[in-house]
Amino acid sequence: GQQVMQIPQYQHVQEGEDFTTYCNSSTTLSNIQWYKQRPGGHPVFLIQLVKSGEVKKQKRLTFQFGEAKKNSSLHITATQTTDVGTYFCAGAAGNKLTFGGGTRVLVKP
Amino acid sequence: KAGVTQTPRYLIKTRGQQVTLSCSPISGHRSVSWYQQTPGQGLQFLFEYFSETQRNKGNFPGRFSGRQFSNSRSEMNVSTLELGDSALYLCASSTDRGGLANYGYTFGSGTRLTVV
Repeated sequence: GQQVMQIPQYQHVQEGEDFTTYCNSSTTLSNIQWYKQRPGGHPVFLIQLVKSGEVKKQKRLTFQFGEAKKNSSLHITATQTTDVGTYFCAGAAGNKLTFGGGTRVLVKP
Repeated sequence: KAGVTQTPRYLIKTRGQQVTLSCSPISGHRSVSWYQQTPGQGLQFLFEYFSETQRNKGNFPGRFSGRQFSNSRSEMNVSTLELGDSALYLCASSTDRGGLANYGYTFGSGTRLTVV
């Protein structure tokens, strides 16, 4: 079955630094979605990418969808303490949405 | 616009008992999915309902079941509870207009189930 892998599993970041988390699917995707879950909260939808090579920005967050539509990345610039949480990618293939294991982001002030 | 409502928020049950969790999706959303979240396993897909029909099912034993009503509200049931069933159970709804899994999910706050 479809598998979605995320790396790294944990990301310790100094406040103000940049970092990137990666998402890889075993199958070609129709779209990829990103969610953020704050500690003690529930996943919140951030964005959806549909087109090959698509790049979308939300303030300090940049999302990319690979040319082959099998991978994606989330890049955060100038990390802030508000960025703490777990970031999940979710790949849509056929009629299924499969979540990656998440990247847990910890910010050091 | 009200969000996805899950009840109850917290639940403590004894091994061997059964439990029913409820989810009211956002008005107009016809797709409802259920996920189990544990610290070591991330978000594991249980099942998805659309217009009262189970459209997808994850790899969980038959003790886990669900249903959806005509007003799109959904329930999931776990019978013969085991200690390993302790988890946060999340419900997510989507508009799903004309495309399966093609719209972002709105999650509820979840039901935290503890089995003792």
